[in-house]
Amino acid sequence: ETGVTQTPRHLVMGMTNKKSLKCEQHLGHNAMYWYKQSAKKPLELMFVYSLEERVENNSVPSRFSPECPNSSHLFLHLHTLQPEDSALYLCASSQAIGGREDFGPGTRLTVL
Amino acid sequence: GENVEQHPSTLSVQEGDSAVIKCTYSDSASNYFPWYKQELGKRPQLIIDIRSNVGEKKDQRIAVTLNKTAKHFSLHITETQPEDSAVYFCAASMGFQKLVFGTGTRLLVSP
Repeated sequence: ETGVTQTPRHLVMGMTNKKSLKCEQHLGHNAMYWYKQSAKKPLELMFVYSLEERVENNSVPSRFSPECPNSSHLFLHLHTLQPEDSALYLCASSQAIGGREDFGPGTRLTVL
Repeated sequence: GENVEQHPSTLSVQEGDSAVIKCTYSDSASNYFPWYKQELGKRPQLIIDIRSNVGEKKDQRIAVTLNKTAKHFSLHITETQPEDSAVYFCAASMGFQKLVFGTGTRLLVSP
């Protein structure tokens, strides 16, 4: 695998479920990001990690919980989501914060 | 913090015409300006970027211009083709601050 990968590509879950999204980057980057993309807000930054340390949390509800165990992996743990959380969740990475970001293919999430 | 505005939100052109998308930014210290293209159902991909020490950069049919005084930068696509149809995002960043994205422009190129 090259670049930034995300699994699963599609996810349907009920409001009471718990699931996790996974992102892996094979670029040797030091920063990783989670974005939410919906029709209303095209690219909404959720979390930023630099060298496994969270450096930004953009007022994201606590039902979204990120985890960055190392500089190559990023997770987004989901629990008790709402239908309005249905969106495309994009992971990205960059050599350093503020530089060119490489995006993963995204996870299309549907909350029933 | 930085704020990026992008216009227009939608743009329709005929094949062969030129398309111009403009972004303005608020922080005069911003020094990196990338443009991303997102085709339907695909990930955003970098198509061109420019740094503040350069006024213009070109790559085949795509060019980006930067006006630091006015704090705006533009994407120019010449001889548009149907495969140029996509959503285009501009972004800006300063030093080691996060990229701030514009709201996107949906470009439709009609044959």
